[in-house]
Amino acid sequence: EAGVAQSPRYKIIEKRQSVAFWCNPISGHATLYWYQQILGQGPKLLIQFQNNGVVDDSQLPKDRFSAERLKGVDSTLKIQPAKLEDSAVYLCASSPSVDTQYFGPGTRLTVL
Amino acid sequence: AQSVTQPDIHITVSEGASLELRCNYSYGATPYLFWYVQSPGQGLQLLLKYFSGDTLVQGIKGFEAEFKRSQSSFNLRKPSVHWSDAAEYFCAVGAGDNDMRFGAGTRLTVKP
Repeated sequence: EAGVAQSPRYKIIEKRQSVAFWCNPISGHATLYWYQQILGQGPKLLIQFQNNGVVDDSQLPKDRFSAERLKGVDSTLKIQPAKLEDSAVYLCASSPSVDTQYFGPGTRLTVL
Repeated sequence: AQSVTQPDIHITVSEGASLELRCNYSYGATPYLFWYVQSPGQGLQLLLKYFSGDTLVQGIKGFEAEFKRSQSSFNLRKPSVHWSDAAEYFCAVGAGDNDMRFGAGTRLTVKP
């Protein structure tokens, strides 16, 4: 079974630039999550999708972050414009139901 | 909302010694509890999980954890640590709606 795929693996941008991350969940998993993991901390949930609908985006900084999952499969997370404090690893996870979340390898973002 | 505390930021053990990583949670109902491991540059890998039933849970790589409701704890144990176990370990608590909160992590160093 293929795991959660994410791209790119690494991204370096300057502050105020825009960036987008892509995630392809495990086939058949209805729930998809985006997490932000700042160095030295545990992952923090940014947004949770159930199919193509948003379940929870209470911790998403909506003035600069956006995410979509238009067809209920893969998803993109965008930051526009980026700030220095957005430097982190962005993890995508998927889950078939109320069960274990399977994580992708993450995208490491560095904002200069 | 649920929360997780991992009291130990960093633990060092000798190879072959036993290991216990502490995790305390806060949640009003019976939680879903997880332990994940993250090696440098990698995503999170599930070690074990507890939903209900037997409070002693066996996981992969020789790890086990015990759910103690009276102490609100879910400590991770391994009888004999291997050098390859050096990594960051995250405890997480989930609610029925899949809302998962992670602890800040415990970094494990293994001495030869």
